Amino acid sequence: ETGVTQTPRHLVMGMTNKKSLKCEQHLGHNAMYWYKQSAKKPLELMFVYNFKEQTENNSVPSRFSPECPNSSHLFLHLHTLQPEDSALYLCASSQDTGYSGNTIYFGEGSWLTVV
Amino acid sequence: AQTVTQSQPEMSVQEAETVTLSCTYDTSESDYYLFWYKQPPSRQMILVIRQEAYKQQNATENRFSVNFQKAAKSFSLKISDSQLGDAAMYFCAYRLGGSQGNLIFGKGTKLSVKP
Repeated sequence: ETGVTQTPRHLVMGMTNKKSLKCEQHLGHNAMYWYKQSAKKPLELMFVYNFKEQTENNSVPSRFSPECPNSSHLFLHLHTLQPEDSALYLCASSQDTGYSGNTIYFGEGSWLTVV
Repeated sequence: AQTVTQSQPEMSVQEAETVTLSCTYDTSESDYYLFWYKQPPSRQMILVIRQEAYKQQNATENRFSVNFQKAAKSFSLKISDSQLGDAAMYFCAYRLGGSQGNLIFGKGTKLSVKP
């Protein structure tokens, strides 16, 4: 059982589709993150939210649009993606971003395939 | 810029034996944290162990321990009495101290455990 749940676990979408990834954390945390994990590359941080405010956008293309309606939920809206965007998208949470020693807890990821 | 290097793409160990995974990092900072995460086939990233840079004592968690050499910027993970369930990808990660430190991951080491 994980404190960070992601849905859907698998998603196949066409380049003209609009879809969303959802993340929910049950740990009472205030910071949430989106990471991208591609084959042969290190995990890349995409976005950070702290107390619902976006604090980091790591030069992510605008076809990825995050939304954080409250501290427990995080969405990643996807629109006109490219095949190279196919990857595992990991959501994570931590107590907050004020202390770098806070453990970051990850979900099981959403596998995205763009066709 | 900070970087994390894992020089062993794959490692193998016999069940009940000991294995050491290597990690080096590059930073000019003195306040930071180091982590080892495990990613089993379920894809969830699970924290194995963490080390505060200001602590000289090596961290240990049951069968897992680290050899932290700050001057050499080395942070290796030792797994004792290896078990089949230890088979996974292992990622070394660095996080700068302070409120804006983000996790920077290495490319990972795939550990196989032979029965």
